[in-house]
Amino acid sequence: DTGVSQNPRHKITKRGQNVTFRCDPISEHNRLYWYRQTLGQGPEFLTYFQNEAQLEKSRLLSDRFSAERPKGSFSTLEIQRTEQGDSAMYLCASSSGANEQFFGPGTRLTVL
Amino acid sequence: QKEVEQNSGPLSVPEGAIASLNCTYSDRVSQSFFWYRQYSGKSPELIMSIYSNGDKEDGRFTAQLNKASQYVSLLIRDSQPSDSATYLCAVRSGAGSYQLTFGKGTKLSVIP
Repeated sequence: DTGVSQNPRHKITKRGQNVTFRCDPISEHNRLYWYRQTLGQGPEFLTYFQNEAQLEKSRLLSDRFSAERPKGSFSTLEIQRTEQGDSAMYLCASSSGANEQFFGPGTRLTVL
Repeated sequence: QKEVEQNSGPLSVPEGAIASLNCTYSDRVSQSFFWYRQYSGKSPELIMSIYSNGDKEDGRFTAQLNKASQYVSLLIRDSQPSDSATYLCAVRSGAGSYQLTFGKGTKLSVIP
């Protein structure tokens, strides 16, 4: 399978705990994106990497969120001190150019 | 504030009919436009991209773009029950930004 992969697919955590998600993009893609989607809404942009550089970050993104792409390949998204409002589907996408973005299966986070 | 507007639906069409999905966007400098299909509980799947005014056809799908009216649409010919899903319109503004802004999606139901 050469598509975008994400792990874990599901995560249940208690409020206040830290969680980390991983995304492996399509191998030749140098751009990687994180989005968040809640029920009934379209995906909302969180952040974007070109190779290892984080070039865009949503102004809506809390300081509790951090993302890395240390070697320009896989990326991690960490949420510290989770809140119930963080419950959502976290989507990763990748692209080889400026345009078409392909999404992974997502990580569904439930904060109790 | 960049906005992408879609009718939430549900839009119901009989099998074999043409489904017409519409989207308007607020940012006049937007350059790239995409339609994603999302089945319930799954991640968005890219089905069409369009960058210049006019029509673009791919199989049963036709995307139409009118930048002057800030309007993009998706036509699905010979609709099938398997086309029943939520269709998301996404816009990239360009101008050095690579994030996609999504509408809330239109839920399509194809009735056998």
